[in-house]
Amino acid sequence: SQQGEEDPQALSIQEGENATMNCSYKTSINNLQWYRQNSGRGLVHLILIRSNEREKHSGRLRVTLDTSKKSSSLLITASRAADTASYFCATGPYQTSGSRLTFGEGTQLTVNP
Amino acid sequence: SAVISQKPSRDICQRGTSLTIQCQVDSQVTMMFWYRQQPGQSLTLIATANQGSEATYESGFVIDKFPISRPNLTFSTLTVSNMSPEDSSIYLCSVGVRGTYEQYFGPGTRLTVT
Repeated sequence: SQQGEEDPQALSIQEGENATMNCSYKTSINNLQWYRQNSGRGLVHLILIRSNEREKHSGRLRVTLDTSKKSSSLLITASRAADTASYFCATGPYQTSGSRLTFGEGTQLTVNP
Repeated sequence: SAVISQKPSRDICQRGTSLTIQCQVDSQVTMMFWYRQQPGQSLTLIATANQGSEATYESGFVIDKFPISRPNLTFSTLTVSNMSPEDSSIYLCSVGVRGTYEQYFGPGTRLTVT
């Protein structure tokens, strides 16, 4: 069963604004990852944060992880129309060395030009 | 990085038939996975494809319905058997990146069962 829940389910913003998406999970994790999916196509890996990390940056992306609250957030700064996509968090469980991923429900982001 | 291709990219099938989806990787990989994404929903892991041994299925998925082959380290197939409209989904294969927990995904196979 899916353990990840994301909010909001849908987010619509203007180009240049920041977008924040949240993810919650239920079990102990080894790592948490964020993926992007354009129009029902294959997923693209964005960023991975390990359970002993609290924050990570990659370009315009910033990810935070709070293991005490079992939650993570993805911030996209200075959004562009090309950022329009579905964003999924995925957790790698602690027990199986983190390789089997469980995906959250996803956030549909629309960036209006 | 790994480049992954899937065949077919899409298909429309009659109920009761079977479809085999192929996943080809341009390099040898240890970990290969198959996921299902039902319309408008998230991804659900079907199974881990193990080279040289039977696939490891997740709860709710069985070998009779989703037989998987993994003859070598660059190729795997997933068969969707005795299809019903509820099997209409995107099926994606992915590979694990050596030394990390990241996965690379194929473009997916969009299956519609009528």
